[in-house]
Amino acid sequence: ETGVTQTPRHLVMGMTNKKSLKCEQHLGHNAMYWYKQSAKKPLELMFVYSLEERVENNSVPSRFSPECPNSSHLFLHLHTLQPEDSALYLCASSFSGDPNYEQYFGPGTRLTVT
Amino acid sequence: GQQVMQIPQYQHVQEGEDFTTYCNSSTTLSNIQWYKQRPGGHPVFLIQLVKSGEVKKQKRLTFQFGEAKKNSSLHITATQTTDVGTYFCAGPARDYKLSFGAGTTVTVRA
Repeated sequence: ETGVTQTPRHLVMGMTNKKSLKCEQHLGHNAMYWYKQSAKKPLELMFVYSLEERVENNSVPSRFSPECPNSSHLFLHLHTLQPEDSALYLCASSFSGDPNYEQYFGPGTRLTVT
Repeated sequence: GQQVMQIPQYQHVQEGEDFTTYCNSSTTLSNIQWYKQRPGGHPVFLIQLVKSGEVKKQKRLTFQFGEAKKNSSLHITATQTTDVGTYFCAGPARDYKLSFGAGTTVTVRA
């Protein structure tokens, strides 16, 4: 499955570092999402972009900064993270931001904050 | 707000046996979606149910949407090792948001 790709697949960063996660979808979709998946917790929606406009910011700390330059690319810029931010970060896309459409997930970036 | 609850959280199954996992919503849903996440993998869309009382099958997997559209179930017959993973249900919560349940993690004893 290569519809949604994410890089890097693994990332270890210190609390003072700045890094970015990248997501690309090849499905012609108009909506893209960032989710956080921690152990033993439900998927947490972070951000939603529909037609390149941010339409949802689910009370995410400002140390996470999303960017959507076009409908195929999504970034998550990270700075001064905390150890509790260690998790699997999943990107997803769907035909539109309407939640009645199914979502297609990328393989995720496993982030470890030291 | 709308919440989706799943039970059980864990399901340990003997290979060849059947089991069912359940999904319940606090509000009526326009549709319910099911996803599977293999160990070390990412969620993969399985199916969507839209109509009240709808039943859909995918090989050994049977999905059902309740008459009141507030609950759903996934029944797997003759469980195989390939069924290992976490099964999530999800329903629309509000504009732009799909609310995922916590998932049922399935392990299989050979």
